[in-house]
Amino acid sequence: GIQVEQSPPDLILQEGANSTLRCNFSDSVNNLQWFHQNPWGQLINLFYIPSGTKQNGRLSATTVATERYSLLYISSSQTTDSGVYFCAVGASGSRLTFGEGTQLTVNP
Amino acid sequence: DTAVSQTPKYLVTQMGNDKSIKCEQNLGHDTMYWYKQDSKKFLKIMFSYNNKELIINETVPNRFSPKSPDKAHLNLHINSLELGDSAVYFCASSRTQGFGNQPQHFGDGTRLSIL
Repeated sequence: GIQVEQSPPDLILQEGANSTLRCNFSDSVNNLQWFHQNPWGQLINLFYIPSGTKQNGRLSATTVATERYSLLYISSSQTTDSGVYFCAVGASGSRLTFGEGTQLTVNP
Repeated sequence: DTAVSQTPKYLVTQMGNDKSIKCEQNLGHDTMYWYKQDSKKFLKIMFSYNNKELIINETVPNRFSPKSPDKAHLNLHINSLELGDSAVYFCASSRTQGFGNQPQHFGDGTRLSIL
C-alpha cells in the first residue's frame, strides 16, 4: 500500500515563529488532506489539497503531486497551534492512509 | 449543526463486555468510515461503507461488526472486548466516489478504555 512519511516528527517553536511541515508519499494520489489534532483529541480539517496551493489565514499548503510531496506552512505561530498535524492521502478507492504526524509545541 | 457526530465520547468498560459506538452524519454523504487511533496516535482505516454496502474491511478481528441501517448512520459493535481494543475510534464521511475523491469529514472520536 501507499506509504506516507511526515517530517519532522517533533517541532518546538516560540510564539511568533514560522514553520514548514512536510509530507512525502510513495505513489500517485488523488486525495490529500491536512488535519490538526488539538489537545482535546479532535481532528480538525485544515486543507483538502490533492494538488496546488491554498491559504487560510496564517496557514497555507502546497502539494506538488508529480513530485509526491506536500508542505504545510504555519506563520506567526500561536500557542493554540500546538497539537499533532497529520497528512493523509488517498489513491484509488476511498481509504485515507495517514502519516505518523508532527507533534508541534508552541511556547509563549 | 454537528456534521459527523459520534456517541458516546467516552466509554469505559470491563474486558469481555460487548459495546456499541454510534455515528451519524447530516452532510448527505454516501460513504462512511471507521478509523482507529492507537496509543501512539497512529490512525488506520477499519471499515468503509458506501450506500449501506461494505466496501473496505481491513484485517480487523471479527469481534468488530459495523452496521449501516441507512447511509446517514454507521455503527460499530464490538464483542468480547479486549485490553488491546483500548483506543480512540473516529467515524468519518465523504461524498461517493462517483464524484471523484472528496475530502473526508471526521467526528470528534470515541475514547474507549478497557479495564
